[in-house]
This record gives sequence, structure tokens and C-alpha cells, in this order.
Amino acid sequence: DADVTQTPRNRITKTGKRIMLECSQTKGHDRMYWYRQDPGLGLRLIYYSFDVKDINKGEISDGYSVSRQAQAKFSLSLESAIPNQTALYFCATSDSGQGLYTQYFGPGTRLLVL
Amino acid sequence: RKEVEQDPGPFNVPEGATVAFNCTYSNSASQSFFWYRQDCRKEPKLLMSVYSSGNEDGRFTAQLNRASQYISLLIRDSKLSDSATYLCVVNINSQFYFGTGTSLTVIP
Repeated sequence: DADVTQTPRNRITKTGKRIMLECSQTKGHDRMYWYRQDPGLGLRLIYYSFDVKDINKGEISDGYSVSRQAQAKFSLSLESAIPNQTALYFCATSDSGQGLYTQYFGPGTRLLVL
Repeated sequence: RKEVEQDPGPFNVPEGATVAFNCTYSNSASQSFFWYRQDCRKEPKLLMSVYSSGNEDGRFTAQLNRASQYISLLIRDSKLSDSATYLCVVNINSQFYFGTGTSLTVIP
């Protein structure tokens, strides 16, 4: 089974709709992240959370909100979707130990906003 | 100014060739460094961490130059399966910053 899962894997929605992307992990990591990826722009951080009570805005948080329901779950919401939120969304986790801690990514959610 | 900059390529090389990618970072407080590999429409996966003294993993060698603030990745004896996008990643205060990636195609 995958360590980091995302649902749904693909989603088509209309402008103005509210949608939620969900992420779950079995790695036991404290830290979770949401990114979006657009052609030519690389991965950009939307929100991140270092534990259940910690939520932080990333580079491009406008138009998004998140919820850290448990250590293993981190959801991303688009309150009112717009076409320029069409992108590939990745959830990631990392541990918080010392040294070179790395990120592990979910398989991604492809979102199309019409 | 972007935290991490990479030449997007594409690099098209024949099988067996040696290819090198460079990446520059702007923040001298950057703490840790990585190369990730991303196959088309898939999630990024860690290729290797980059240590100050440089490190090697099989055909892959990573180097870090803190004075000049750049990171390199060398791939020797390229295989068809090396075709992918290579992402340079820098960690600053527990946040990860990604380059836009360098595209590599290995040609038979």
C-alpha cells in the first residue's frame, strides 16, 4: 500500500464550486504539505502543517484553506474554484528528526476547473 | 527572485553519455539540498540528498558548492530509463523550495 494517498486522483469541477482534496499518510510523519504544480512554474507551496495544531501559509495560499484533522490527514479546500486553479496538486510529508529529512509525495490530484 | 533556479533544458543525450545539471540557490541560509526525479505526470521521488562533501550513488554524483551557492548532478553512462525531469530542491527553515526542473531525454 502507498504511504501517502490522495483522493480524488482526478476531478473536474465548475467555477464557483467548493471542492476538497484529501491526503492521508501512514508514514507517521508530523509534517504535511500541499503543493500545486503548473507547467514552467515548478512546485509551489500552498500550505503546510508541522503538527495537528499548526497551520502555516505557503507561497500561494490565497483561494485555498486547509484542515489538519489528525496527524495522518491533511485536507485542502478550494472554497470557490476558479479556472486558474486548474493544476496538478501534490500532498507531501516529511519527518521532523535531525539531519537531512526528505519529503515523500502522494500520487497527485489532477484538477480541472471549467 | 526565485529561491532555486535550474536550466529547464531539454537535454537530449545518447545512451551511454555523461550529462551534468546545475542548479543555483539564492538564500545562503539554505540548510539541506536534494535532487528529485519526476516522471511525466507522476509524483516527484527522491533521487539523492546532497552532502557538503559530495556524494555518489552508483552512476549518480551530487556536489554542493556553498561558496558559489550551486548544486550539481552528474549522471554517467546514461540509460533510457534515466529520461525524466530532475528537480533541484533546497530546504530553508523546514520549507522546501523547488526548481522548475531540468528535462532529460536519453536517446537510443
